[in-house]
Amino acid sequence: DTGVSQNPRHKITKRGQNVTFRCDPISEHNRLYWYRQTLGQGPEFLTYFQNEAQLEKSRLLSDRFSAERPKGSFSTLEIQRTEQGDSAMYLCASSLQGENQPQHFGDGTRLSIL
Amino acid sequence: AQSVSQHNHHVILSEAASLELGCNYSYGGTVNLFWYVQYPGQHLQLLLKYFSGDPLVKGIKGFEAEFIKSKFSFNLRKPSVQWSDTAEYFCAVNARPGGGNKLTFGTGTQLKVEL
Repeated sequence: DTGVSQNPRHKITKRGQNVTFRCDPISEHNRLYWYRQTLGQGPEFLTYFQNEAQLEKSRLLSDRFSAERPKGSFSTLEIQRTEQGDSAMYLCASSLQGENQPQHFGDGTRLSIL
Repeated sequence: AQSVSQHNHHVILSEAASLELGCNYSYGGTVNLFWYVQYPGQHLQLLLKYFSGDPLVKGIKGFEAEFIKSKFSFNLRKPSVQWSDTAEYFCAVNARPGGGNKLTFGTGTQLKVEL
């Protein structure tokens, strides 16, 4: 399968713990996006990268959240000191550069905070 | 900032019925418009997109959508639904130029098609 890959699929952790998610985009895609989706809502934009540069961050992304894409390929999203409100599905998408390029989504990582 | 409204949160139809899902956006400039579909247990998939040109766009699986600029709308239609169309449907926009391709989604419409 050459689609967007996200790991793990599910993560259960206790409040206060740190978690890290990984996203492997489609190989030729130089743009990578992170979204968060809570129950009954559509995905909400968190941040995006063009190659290794993080070009935009949503104000939803508090200082407990950090994302990296060190070599312009895979990306990680880390949440420090998790809170109950962090429980959500975290989605990764990738696209080619250009305003008319559609985004391709992964299956997401579902985070549950106990 | 742009926003998207999907007015129908849950829709139940019988097979062969016609479908129209509403989508309105709020943004003063030029936008790209998308419909994504999420089948049970699967990832979001692109159904169709509008960038420019003919405001009536056709997508996969017999779906189509019409961009009406004066109404800021991009409604999704299908003349005859099938049981396999049961899914959640999301309308999304991104602003251009300079929007960075980030998508703003509506809250989604859950469609159930009954046999």
